[in-house]
Amino acid sequence: DAGITQSPRHKVTETGTPVTLRCHQTENHRYMYWYRQDPGHGLRLIHYSYGVKDTDKGEVSDGYSVSRSKTEDFLLTLESATSSQTSVYFCAISGLSNYGYTFGSGTRLTVV
Amino acid sequence: QKEVEQNSGPLSVPEGAIASLNCTYSDRGSQSFFWYRQYSGKSPELIMSIYSNGDKEDGRFTAQLNKASQYVSLLIRDSQPSDSATYLCAVSRDGGSQGNLIFGKGTKLSVKP
Repeated sequence: DAGITQSPRHKVTETGTPVTLRCHQTENHRYMYWYRQDPGHGLRLIHYSYGVKDTDKGEVSDGYSVSRSKTEDFLLTLESATSSQTSVYFCAISGLSNYGYTFGSGTRLTVV
Repeated sequence: QKEVEQNSGPLSVPEGAIASLNCTYSDRGSQSFFWYRQYSGKSPELIMSIYSNGDKEDGRFTAQLNKASQYVSLLIRDSQPSDSATYLCAVSRDGGSQGNLIFGKGTKLSVKP
């Protein structure tokens, strides 16, 4: 398996609280991505990173922020969680070669 | 807006049959095409990539690309119950390194024993 892990795997949190999800890779890949997956919407890009401290917004970035202080770690923060952010969150990585993405196992987040 | 369209299914085929999954895309500048398999409750797994018009075969899987018609297909020969999953088509201009890999919503395949 590619060296990509997400934590936590499951989380239940209350509306209005901040939440941070972590993606860790051991592949030394340059590119990292955060997606959310919802029924009827498929995979939607939240933010991505193309290097340490280099990030950009995706399709559904409102209410989310990211940080990448090291090559191996990409953090996704929900600044003030809302019920609409209940979803499954996937991290993905890719290298310079055109081989597509490798996904982590996902984090199932429930905001109550 | 760039789109990738797939029939949501479910597509049901008997064991041993050929399953045909189709995908159309709107961006004529697309150059990289991928098929992912996602089992229920699991993460997407890359199974095929194709970059040139024509067919690409890998075991029981064949990806077909027609850029003029803007469609990509995935054929699964000798379908097995273990192939039952959702198949995601993904398209990009450059492999997706700039966050521009666009996913379809997926086709659910059910292979009946």
